[in-house]
Amino acid sequence: SQTIHQWPATLVQPVGSPLSLECTVEGTSNPNLYWYRQAAGRGLQLLFYSVGIGQISSEVPQNLSASRPQDRQFILSSKKLLLSDSGFYLCAWSRGLAGVFVLTFGAGSRLTVL
Amino acid sequence: AQKVTQAQTEISVVEKEDVTLDCVYETRDTTYYLFWYKQPPSGELVFLIRRNSFDEQNEISGRYSWNFQKSTSSFNFTITASQVVDSAVYFCALSEETGANNLFFGTGTRLTVIP
Repeated sequence: SQTIHQWPATLVQPVGSPLSLECTVEGTSNPNLYWYRQAAGRGLQLLFYSVGIGQISSEVPQNLSASRPQDRQFILSSKKLLLSDSGFYLCAWSRGLAGVFVLTFGAGSRLTVL
Repeated sequence: AQKVTQAQTEISVVEKEDVTLDCVYETRDTTYYLFWYKQPPSGELVFLIRRNSFDEQNEISGRYSWNFQKSTSSFNFTITASQVVDSAVYFCALSEETGANNLFFGTGTRLTVIP
Protein backbone atom coordinates (compact mmCIF):
# COMPACT_ATOMS: atom_id res chain seq x y z
CA SER A 1 0.00 0.00 0.00
CA GLN A 2 1.04 3.57 -0.54
CA THR A 3 2.04 5.85 2.30
CA ILE A 4 3.16 9.43 2.43
CA HIS A 5 5.47 10.81 5.08
CA GLN A 6 6.00 14.45 5.86
CA TRP A 7 8.35 16.08 8.36
CA PRO A 8 8.88 17.88 10.56
CA ALA A 9 5.37 17.95 11.95
CA THR A 10 5.92 21.23 13.76
CA LEU A 11 8.46 23.95 13.23
CA VAL A 12 9.06 27.34 14.84
CA GLN A 13 11.53 29.50 12.97
CA PRO A 14 12.70 33.11 13.24
CA VAL A 15 12.17 35.54 10.39
CA GLY A 16 15.04 35.37 7.93
CA SER A 17 15.99 31.78 8.70
CA PRO A 18 15.99 29.03 6.08
CA LEU A 19 13.35 26.34 5.72
CA SER A 20 13.30 22.78 4.53
CA LEU A 21 10.21 20.57 4.64
CA GLU A 22 10.48 17.08 3.30
CA CYS A 23 7.94 14.69 1.87
CA THR A 24 8.40 11.11 0.70
CA VAL A 25 6.01 8.63 -0.82
CA GLU A 26 6.27 4.87 -0.53
CA GLY A 27 4.63 2.09 -2.46
CA THR A 28 4.27 3.76 -5.82
CA SER A 29 6.45 5.03 -8.61
CA ASN A 30 6.40 8.22 -10.66
CA PRO A 31 3.71 9.91 -8.60
CA ASN A 32 2.57 13.47 -9.14
CA LEU A 33 3.61 15.42 -6.05
CA TYR A 34 2.13 18.58 -4.61
CA TRP A 35 2.76 21.17 -1.91
CA TYR A 36 -0.28 23.00 -0.56
CA ARG A 37 -0.44 25.70 2.08
CA GLN A 38 -3.38 26.19 4.39
CA ALA A 39 -3.50 29.60 6.03
CA ALA A 40 -5.89 30.31 8.88
CA GLY A 41 -9.41 30.93 7.60
CA ARG A 42 -8.49 30.10 4.04
CA GLY A 43 -8.72 27.08 1.85
CA LEU A 44 -5.78 25.15 0.57
CA GLN A 45 -3.59 26.93 -1.92
CA LEU A 46 -1.48 24.98 -4.35
CA LEU A 47 2.13 26.14 -4.18
CA PHE A 48 4.03 23.68 -6.36
CA TYR A 49 3.50 20.46 -8.20
CA SER A 50 5.82 18.02 -9.92
CA VAL A 51 5.12 15.38 -12.52
CA GLY A 52 8.64 13.96 -12.49
CA ILE A 53 12.20 14.25 -11.17
CA GLY A 54 13.49 17.77 -11.59
CA GLN A 55 10.18 19.01 -12.99
CA ILE A 56 8.63 21.70 -10.82
CA SER A 57 5.66 23.92 -11.62
CA SER A 58 4.97 26.94 -9.47
CA GLU A 59 1.44 28.17 -9.08
CA VAL A 60 2.02 31.21 -6.92
CA PRO A 61 5.01 33.59 -6.93
CA GLN A 62 6.43 33.64 -3.43
CA ASN A 63 9.35 33.31 -1.10
CA LEU A 64 9.40 29.53 -1.41
CA SER A 65 10.90 26.99 -3.79
CA ALA A 66 10.51 23.28 -4.34
CA SER A 67 12.73 20.50 -5.56
CA ARG A 68 12.32 16.87 -6.49
CA PRO A 69 15.72 15.23 -6.28
CA GLN A 70 14.32 11.69 -6.37
CA ASP A 71 11.20 10.11 -7.80
CA ARG A 72 9.37 9.92 -4.50
CA GLN A 73 10.90 12.85 -2.65
CA PHE A 74 9.59 16.38 -2.67
CA ILE A 75 11.18 19.22 -0.73
CA LEU A 76 9.85 22.67 0.08
CA SER A 77 12.47 25.29 0.86
CA SER A 78 13.07 28.90 1.61
CA LYS A 79 16.30 30.83 1.97
CA LYS A 80 14.79 33.50 4.21
CA LEU A 81 11.45 33.04 5.91
CA LEU A 82 8.89 35.83 6.17
CA LEU A 83 6.18 36.19 8.78
CA SER A 84 3.64 35.57 6.04
CA ASP A 85 5.10 32.11 5.45
CA SER A 86 3.47 30.85 8.64
CA GLY A 87 0.86 28.22 7.97
CA PHE A 88 0.08 24.57 7.64
CA TYR A 89 1.88 22.90 4.75
CA LEU A 90 0.53 19.76 3.22
CA CYS A 91 2.26 17.42 0.82
CA ALA A 92 0.14 15.22 -1.42
CA TRP A 93 0.51 12.72 -4.20
CA SER A 94 -1.67 11.37 -6.97
CA ARG A 95 -1.35 8.80 -9.74
CA GLY A 96 -2.00 11.45 -12.37
CA LEU A 97 -3.63 14.79 -12.82
CA ALA A 98 -4.88 16.14 -9.50
CA GLY A 99 -8.09 17.18 -11.11
CA VAL A 100 -8.91 13.64 -12.11
CA PHE A 101 -7.09 11.38 -9.70
CA VAL A 102 -7.63 11.51 -5.98
CA LEU A 103 -5.07 13.34 -3.90
CA THR A 104 -3.64 11.56 -0.89
CA PHE A 105 -2.31 13.95 1.72
CA GLY A 106 0.40 13.74 4.31
CA ALA A 107 -0.19 14.69 7.94
CA GLY A 108 1.08 18.22 7.40
CA SER A 109 3.79 20.47 8.79
CA ARG A 110 2.81 23.41 10.92
CA LEU A 111 5.23 26.31 10.48
CA THR A 112 5.27 29.31 12.77
CA VAL A 113 7.55 32.16 11.82
CA LEU A 114 8.32 34.57 14.66
CA ALA B 1 -13.25 35.32 -8.14
CA GLN B 2 -13.75 32.50 -5.71
CA LYS B 3 -14.32 29.30 -7.61
CA VAL B 4 -15.61 27.36 -4.62
CA THR B 5 -17.69 28.97 -1.91
CA GLN B 6 -18.45 27.39 1.40
CA ALA B 7 -20.52 30.05 3.08
CA GLN B 8 -20.78 28.22 6.39
CA THR B 9 -17.61 28.87 8.33
CA GLU B 10 -18.62 26.93 11.42
CA ILE B 11 -21.55 24.70 12.28
CA SER B 12 -22.40 23.08 15.61
CA VAL B 13 -24.94 20.32 15.96
CA VAL B 14 -25.96 17.97 18.71
CA GLU B 15 -25.14 14.35 18.21
CA LYS B 16 -27.68 12.41 16.12
CA GLU B 17 -28.86 15.53 14.34
CA ASP B 18 -28.61 15.73 10.56
CA VAL B 19 -26.43 18.45 9.07
CA THR B 20 -25.89 19.75 5.55
CA LEU B 21 -22.70 21.44 4.43
CA ASP B 22 -23.15 23.74 1.47
CA CYS B 23 -20.82 24.09 -1.49
CA VAL B 24 -21.33 26.40 -4.45
CA TYR B 25 -18.89 26.40 -7.33
CA GLU B 26 -18.18 28.53 -10.35
CA THR B 27 -16.71 27.36 -13.64
CA ARG B 28 -17.07 27.91 -17.35
CA ASP B 29 -15.80 24.46 -18.24
CA THR B 30 -18.31 21.81 -19.24
CA THR B 31 -16.06 19.06 -17.90
CA TYR B 32 -15.04 19.36 -14.30
CA TYR B 33 -14.74 17.35 -11.10
CA LEU B 34 -16.01 18.10 -7.63
CA PHE B 35 -14.57 16.70 -4.43
CA TRP B 36 -15.18 16.64 -0.72
CA TYR B 37 -12.34 16.15 1.74
CA LYS B 38 -12.44 15.79 5.52
CA GLN B 39 -9.74 17.26 7.76
CA PRO B 40 -9.94 15.81 11.28
CA PRO B 41 -8.02 17.43 14.15
CA SER B 42 -4.93 15.39 13.19
CA GLY B 43 -4.61 17.64 10.13
CA GLU B 44 -4.44 15.08 7.35
CA LEU B 45 -7.03 15.57 4.62
CA VAL B 46 -9.06 12.48 3.84
CA PHE B 47 -10.81 12.00 0.51
CA LEU B 48 -14.56 11.45 0.74
CA ILE B 49 -16.00 11.66 -2.76
CA ARG B 50 -15.38 12.73 -6.35
CA ARG B 51 -18.04 13.51 -8.94
CA ASN B 52 -17.63 14.48 -12.56
CA SER B 53 -19.80 17.09 -14.22
CA PHE B 54 -21.65 14.55 -16.33
CA ASP B 55 -22.90 12.52 -13.42
CA GLU B 56 -25.59 14.33 -11.47
CA GLN B 57 -26.77 11.26 -9.71
CA ASN B 58 -26.87 11.77 -5.97
CA GLU B 59 -24.80 9.43 -3.92
CA ILE B 60 -25.23 7.84 -0.53
CA SER B 61 -22.51 6.15 1.47
CA GLY B 62 -23.64 5.07 4.89
CA ARG B 63 -24.55 8.21 6.84
CA TYR B 64 -23.07 10.44 4.14
CA SER B 65 -24.94 11.69 1.10
CA TRP B 66 -24.16 14.18 -1.61
CA ASN B 67 -26.55 16.28 -3.68
CA PHE B 68 -25.09 17.53 -6.97
CA GLN B 69 -27.22 20.09 -8.80
CA LYS B 70 -25.74 21.69 -11.91
CA SER B 71 -28.71 24.06 -12.21
CA THR B 72 -27.64 25.79 -8.99
CA SER B 73 -23.91 24.95 -9.24
CA SER B 74 -24.07 23.25 -5.90
CA PHE B 75 -22.59 20.10 -4.44
CA ASN B 76 -23.94 19.80 -0.92
CA PHE B 77 -22.94 17.22 1.65
CA THR B 78 -25.31 15.83 4.26
CA ILE B 79 -24.39 13.81 7.32
CA THR B 80 -27.28 11.91 8.80
CA ALA B 81 -27.39 11.09 12.51
CA SER B 82 -24.14 12.93 13.18
CA GLN B 83 -21.57 11.51 15.55
CA VAL B 84 -18.77 13.10 17.55
CA VAL B 85 -16.24 11.50 15.18
CA ASP B 86 -17.70 13.59 12.38
CA SER B 87 -16.23 16.71 14.00
CA ALA B 88 -13.74 18.05 11.48
CA VAL B 89 -13.20 20.69 8.84
CA TYR B 90 -14.78 19.74 5.55
CA PHE B 91 -13.49 21.07 2.26
CA CYS B 92 -15.23 21.17 -1.07
CA ALA B 93 -12.97 21.38 -4.12
CA LEU B 94 -13.26 21.88 -7.87
CA SER B 95 -11.04 20.79 -10.71
CA GLU B 96 -11.49 22.30 -14.13
CA GLU B 97 -10.53 20.59 -17.36
CA THR B 98 -8.38 23.52 -18.39
CA GLY B 99 -6.23 23.34 -15.27
CA ALA B 100 -6.53 19.74 -14.35
CA ASN B 101 -3.45 19.60 -12.15
CA ASN B 102 -4.91 21.95 -9.60
CA LEU B 103 -7.77 21.67 -7.21
CA PHE B 104 -9.51 24.85 -6.12
CA PHE B 105 -10.50 24.42 -2.51
CA GLY B 106 -13.18 26.26 -0.62
CA THR B 107 -12.32 27.82 2.71
CA GLY B 108 -13.82 24.89 4.58
CA THR B 109 -16.62 24.40 7.07
CA ARG B 110 -15.72 23.48 10.63
CA LEU B 111 -18.29 21.03 11.97
CA THR B 112 -18.54 20.42 15.68
CA VAL B 113 -20.76 17.63 16.88
CA ILE B 114 -21.67 18.05 20.53
CA PRO B 115 -22.27 14.88 22.52
